[in-house]
Amino acid sequence: DADVTQTPRNRITKTGKRIMLECSQTKGHDRMYWYRQDPGLGLRLIYYSFDVKDINKGEISDGYSVSRQAQAKFSLSLESAIPNQTALYFCATSDTGEWDQPQHFGDGTRLSIL
Amino acid sequence: AQKVTQAQTEISVVEKEDVTLDCVYETRDTTYYLFWYKQPPSGELVFLIRRNSFDEQNEISGRYSWNFQKSTSSFNFTITASQVVDSAVYFCALSETSYDKVIFGPGTSLSVIP
Repeated sequence: DADVTQTPRNRITKTGKRIMLECSQTKGHDRMYWYRQDPGLGLRLIYYSFDVKDINKGEISDGYSVSRQAQAKFSLSLESAIPNQTALYFCATSDTGEWDQPQHFGDGTRLSIL
Repeated sequence: AQKVTQAQTEISVVEKEDVTLDCVYETRDTTYYLFWYKQPPSGELVFLIRRNSFDEQNEISGRYSWNFQKSTSSFNFTITASQVVDSAVYFCALSETSYDKVIFGPGTSLSVIP
């Protein structure tokens, strides 16, 4: 089983709909991240969380919200989706105890908003 | 502010040719980490290498090699004797710590033609 699992893997929806992308991890890491990938722009940080009570905005948080329901779960919500939020979304985890290891990424969620 | 530049948007090479992917970074931190990730057509991110700012030794792993030069703020990636399976988007990335949020470059799309 994957250490970092994103659901759904693919989603097509309409403008104005509320969407939730979910991320769960079995690594026991404290830190979790949501990134968005657009062609030619690389990955950009949306939100990150250092623990259940700590949520921080990233570079491009407008139009998004997050919820850290437990150490293992970090959800990303689009309250009213718009077409320019069509992108590939990645969840990642890391832990200060694993100082020698980079972030661990999920396999991504492809989101299309029509 | 931290920034990663990958000036080559797309590169095409014929199989068995060598190819170098350029990466230039900006940071005011004296300690930092550099990464390379591979994203094959299937979309997942594959971690290739991590290098900290105190270690300027070049590294070779099979057909892959990395040249880190602090004097020019560059961390270039060379694939020797390229293969079709090397076709992917390659991201260079920068982080303040090994486990912290990552700043990605825009990526270089490599196509290896048989």
